[in-house]
Amino acid sequence: NAGVTQTPKFQVLKTGQSMTLQCAQDMNHNSMYWYRQDPGMGLRLIYYSASEGTTDKGEVPNGYNVSRLNKREFSLRLESAAPSQTSVYFCASRRGTSGWSSYEQYFGPGTRLTVT
Amino acid sequence: QQQVKQSPQSLIVQKGGISIINCAYENTAFDYFPWYQQFPGKGPALLIAIRPDVSEKKEGRFTISFNKSAKQFSLHIMDSQPGDSATYFCAAGGGGGNKLTFGTGTQLKVEL
Repeated sequence: NAGVTQTPKFQVLKTGQSMTLQCAQDMNHNSMYWYRQDPGMGLRLIYYSASEGTTDKGEVPNGYNVSRLNKREFSLRLESAAPSQTSVYFCASRRGTSGWSSYEQYFGPGTRLTVT
Repeated sequence: QQQVKQSPQSLIVQKGGISIINCAYENTAFDYFPWYQQFPGKGPALLIAIRPDVSEKKEGRFTISFNKSAKQFSLHIMDSQPGDSATYFCAAGGGGGNKLTFGTGTQLKVEL
């Protein structure tokens, strides 16, 4: 049981290049999330998918697109990378069924992205 | 619009001391208030969570105090240890929604 996995762990891009960050979970969770973490800014939600087949914008969606490929996988795409997108990106998942404890989110190890 | 305000930004505590981190929220619909712990190079992990119908929850050396009328909650780490050195995030969510709103984080360093 690997939990939430993310690839790659590190990436350096030039301005204007594109790339896709991959995320997969093996906990049969319904909801999945993409966050970015910047110093002093905490964790800010980019996009989320409440269930397979649905996606919604979070707090900072500009410059990103997402795909919920199936229940396990949720990818984040940068079409034309900018230096402002230099950050650490975290994927998370949540069981999302009824019950107070279902709100807990499980995070992956992160992808460290630098855009030059 | 930041809905969860966290302070302090950084904190240095001596070994054996008490670490206290505070958060305030705005949305009264929130009914789930977790604290996450993050070590360098790792993803955040749930430490402890509280619901608004209790005023305090304790798990080992970690305690959440919750003040519903003031819309504030805090994390207390008793007998702080160097292994507690990490970044701590408060968050708020629930209320039937799908998202968590996180505070900006507190970098805790416990010195010997």
